[in-house]
Order: sequence, then C-alpha cells, then structure tokens
Amino acid sequence: DAKTTQPNSMESNEEEPVHLPCNHSTISGTDYIHWYRQLPSQGPEYVIHGLTSNVNNRMASLAIAEDRKSSTLILHRATLRDAAVYYCILRDLHYQLIWGAGTKLIIKP
Amino acid sequence: EAQVTQNPRYLITVTGKKLTVTCSQNMNHEYMSWYRQDPGLGLRQIYYSMNVEVTDKGDVPEGYKVSRKEKRNFPLILESPSPNQTSLYFCASSLAPVAEDYEQYFGPGTRLTVT
Repeated sequence: DAKTTQPNSMESNEEEPVHLPCNHSTISGTDYIHWYRQLPSQGPEYVIHGLTSNVNNRMASLAIAEDRKSSTLILHRATLRDAAVYYCILRDLHYQLIWGAGTKLIIKP
Repeated sequence: EAQVTQNPRYLITVTGKKLTVTCSQNMNHEYMSWYRQDPGLGLRQIYYSMNVEVTDKGDVPEGYKVSRKEKRNFPLILESPSPNQTSLYFCASSLAPVAEDYEQYFGPGTRLTVT
C-alpha cells in the first residue's frame, strides 16, 4: 500500500501562508493525492485532491512535484480557524484511503 | 443541508451489552463506511459498503457488524462490546468509491466508552 510521511506538527503565524509538506515516494501512477483536515472535536473534512497538476480551490492550493513523490498543501493566509490536523492520503489497491497520523497545524495569533 | 448524521454522539456501556450506532446520509451517496479513531493511530476503516446490500471488511472489522438495507442508512453493530472497542467512531459517505474525484463527507463522530 502506498504510504505518506508528514511532519508531526507545524506552527505558523496568523495571516501568513502555510506550506504543509507530504512525502509519498511509493505512489503509483494512478493514485490521487487527497488532503483532509480535522478540526478539534469534529469529523474530518475534505480540503483538496490532485493527480499531476497543481490544483486550487477556495480552501487551499495543492502543489505536486513533477515526479509525484511529494506534494505541498498551501494555505495562502492562515487564520485561527485553520488550526487542525491535516492528513495527506493516498488510495490503496482497493480504492480505500489510507490515513496516517497527519500534521497538527498550530496557528499563533 | 447535505450531511451525515450519527447517533448517539456519546455512549457509555458495559462489556457484552449489544449496541447499535446509526448513520444516515441525505446526499443519495452510494458509498458509505465506518472508521474508528484512536490516539496516535489515525483513522482506521472498519467496514465499507459500495451500495445497498453490498458490504465488505476494512482494516479492523473484528467485533463489528454492519448492514446496508437502505441507501441512506449504514448502522454499525457491536454484538458484544469489549473495552478495546472504546474509541471515537466516524461514519462517512461519498458519491462513489473514493477512487478518484469523490470526496468523503464525515459525520460528527460517536464517542464510545465500554467499561
């Protein structure tokens, strides 16, 4: 199963951009890269996903390396409400998402 | 409002007393699944369902049962709960199996304690 590696935690200042890295060196050619986040005391929520090209939506941007072995979730202007655990996830052979421990993002006012 | 609902949100029970956690979605999603979340272990899938009457085991199915008799409902059944099933449980749904473009929608969670 393809796995991902993320830092355990990161800190950022409010209203500054945040770059959350993810390594997935065993990714296969057809695996999509998904990002979810989990705010305190809530269920996970979808953030963004991509295959090869960089992706943008109202929440974030996803930058995918040319060799697809790593990706970066970009929050352009972090707010206190963005404090959460961010999960970088790949799909396994059975189309299921394999969740790791994620990165706990701490936003400092 | 599109949502996944779970009931109850909190449950304390004793070992061996059968319980059911309900899950319902109002988005006409085909795919539904159950996860448990334990500290330091992330989310682990218990069971999933591709459609009505189609269910399959996830990574940690032991001690759990599910059924999918209607498209909108996917209850999780613990026939004889044990303390190691104390956990935070999430139900999720998506338009189709999460192979490519389909995001999963998660419920608010059910915190279960088995004493």
